[in-house]
Amino acid sequence: GDSVTQMEGPVTLSEEAFLTINCTYTATGYPSLFWYVQYPGEGLQLLLKATKADDKGSNKGFEATYRKETTSFHLEKGSVQVSDSAVYFCALSGRNTPLVFGKGTRLSVIA
Amino acid sequence: SAVISQKPSRDICQRGTSLTIQCQVDSQVTMMFWYRQQPGQSLTLIATANQGSEATYESGFVIDKFPISRPNLTFSTLTVSNMSPEDSSIYLCSARDFDEKLFFGSGTQLSVL
Repeated sequence: GDSVTQMEGPVTLSEEAFLTINCTYTATGYPSLFWYVQYPGEGLQLLLKATKADDKGSNKGFEATYRKETTSFHLEKGSVQVSDSAVYFCALSGRNTPLVFGKGTRLSVIA
Repeated sequence: SAVISQKPSRDICQRGTSLTIQCQVDSQVTMMFWYRQQPGQSLTLIATANQGSEATYESGFVIDKFPISRPNLTFSTLTVSNMSPEDSSIYLCSARDFDEKLFFGSGTQLSVL
């Protein structure tokens, strides 16, 4: 079945550092790819998404590009802030199928 | 965009009892799902709630333990039956609208003593 593998956490960075969280997927067909974020004590929020190969999703300074050739959707941000501390989930979904989530990566940004 | 109201937002329950969680969407959606997020873990799909018919359960989840209803296009319930401390978790309702967008409720934090 479909699956998502993302890098193990926790990840600890200093403010203004560059962030990469790796995500690879296995799926039949051409799924949509997502990054969700869960801030401490809050619910799940959609951060960005891409629906086809070579699409780039972006939001709040975060970016991820749908790479079909490497089946990847790595999350990047050029300069993280303390307020970016959260758990990040990579996910995929085919048409009319539910989201399949990765295990999540906890990011801690220190001042 | 759809807004999902989920209640209760949290509850503390005794072992052996049951809790029903309600999920109401403010517009018609095609599909509704129930997830569980155990402490420090990712989200695991429990089942897809089908309108007017039995839910489709994922491996490891059964109807007797997690009965689900979906009487119409905008409402679903999940019951956690005969609870044990291992059922302590966050339960999340999710829905997909006709534009293929996915939405999540704010979750129900369940603690079983």
